[in-house]
Parts: sequence; structure tokens; C-alpha cells
Amino acid sequence: NAGVTQTPKFQVLKTGQSMTLQCAQDMNHEYMSWYRQDPGMGLRLIHYSVGAGITDQGEVPNGYNVSRSTTEDFPLRLLSAAPSQTSVYFCASGASAGTGELFFGEGSRLTVL
Amino acid sequence: RKEVEQDPGPFNVPEGATVAFNCTYSNSASQSFFWYRQDCRKEPKLLMSVYSSGNEDGRFTAQLNRASQYISLLIRDSKLSDSATYLCVVLNQAGTALIFGKGTTLSVSS
Repeated sequence: NAGVTQTPKFQVLKTGQSMTLQCAQDMNHEYMSWYRQDPGMGLRLIHYSVGAGITDQGEVPNGYNVSRSTTEDFPLRLLSAAPSQTSVYFCASGASAGTGELFFGEGSRLTVL
Repeated sequence: RKEVEQDPGPFNVPEGATVAFNCTYSNSASQSFFWYRQDCRKEPKLLMSVYSSGNEDGRFTAQLNRASQYISLLIRDSKLSDSATYLCVVLNQAGTALIFGKGTTLSVSS
């Protein structure tokens, strides 16, 4: 019963470093997405994908890259980390956004110093 | 104006109370609406969809008022286990993304 698996769960970076947050789902979902959650800001969409090979930007895409080479995986890359990217990151998947049912990973807590 | 707005609360109620949360959305073309629940330091989970005719799931009732562009969630007979943040969610017009409100925090005490 893996569902959506995110790694790492915790990460501390220095400003300017790059890293990749991994996300994998085993439910054969076409739709995958990344959100960040900050106090007072709620969940904000970073990038999403409606299927392998297709990605699009959400509300706050700057500083992040994604790719979707397989149905199962949707990694989020931070190109040059900034303190403003300190946040909790959630990966979510679903059959489609239209169903309204997204399954979220447990979150990755990132701190950028 | 934010696409989805909620009163952040917190709402502090005793066990057994009835509590209602409201949410407003800005895009009149929005078609699909949902409520999610998020426990402290956990991931969000779908609580229920919101249908035009209103819908009920046990102690939870969701209603939609398209004319006023607001969505409500009513919780009857509150339990301690209902303590959580409730997120109002709207499907964007393109049908490609879920837009989350900032959430309303509920604390139920004995």
C-alpha cells in the first residue's frame, strides 16, 4: 500500500545548492502535481503533469523544474536554492484533477539556510 | 482577490457542537468543488465533493451556492477527532489543477 512516496522527508540546504525531491506513485495515475505549503499561504501549485512527457506550470513555478519521463515518477528540481524556498513540499497524484481526488505524499520539509 | 478564500479561524468548539465553515471563490466559471481535511503536520486528504444539490456524508454536509459563489461545510455533533484544518478546493477553469484555500482550523475540546 505504498501510494505516493516522497523522498527525502527532511532536507537542509545552503543557498545556491541544487537538489531533487523525488516522488513516485504506484497507482497508475496519469495526473501528478507538486505543491508547496507555507504558513499563512496555504497550498500553492508549483508544477503539474497530465501524463508522461507532459508538464505545465502552476501558480509558483519559478526556481523549480520538473520532468515526467514515466507514469510513476515526477521529480521536482530546485536549481539554485534560496531561503524563500524553505517550505513543506507535497507531491500528489490522481486519475485526473477533474475527479477532485488527489492522493498526497507525506511531504518533504526543506530548509534553505 | 484570491481564487479561493476562507476564514482561517481558529474555530474552538466543545464536543457535540455544530460548526459551519464558509468559502468563497472568485471564478464564476468554476464547476467542481471539494473539501479536504488536513491533520496537523500531515498530508491533506479528500473529505468530500460538493454537489450543486448539496450532499451529506454522516455528520458532514456540504452545500454550494453558485449565485453567491460560496461553498459551505457543516459539521454536526463535533467529535474530538474532527480537530483539523479544513481546506476548500476549487477545480480551475481548464480542469487541470486544484486550487486550495488557506484552510480553516477547527479545534474541538471536551
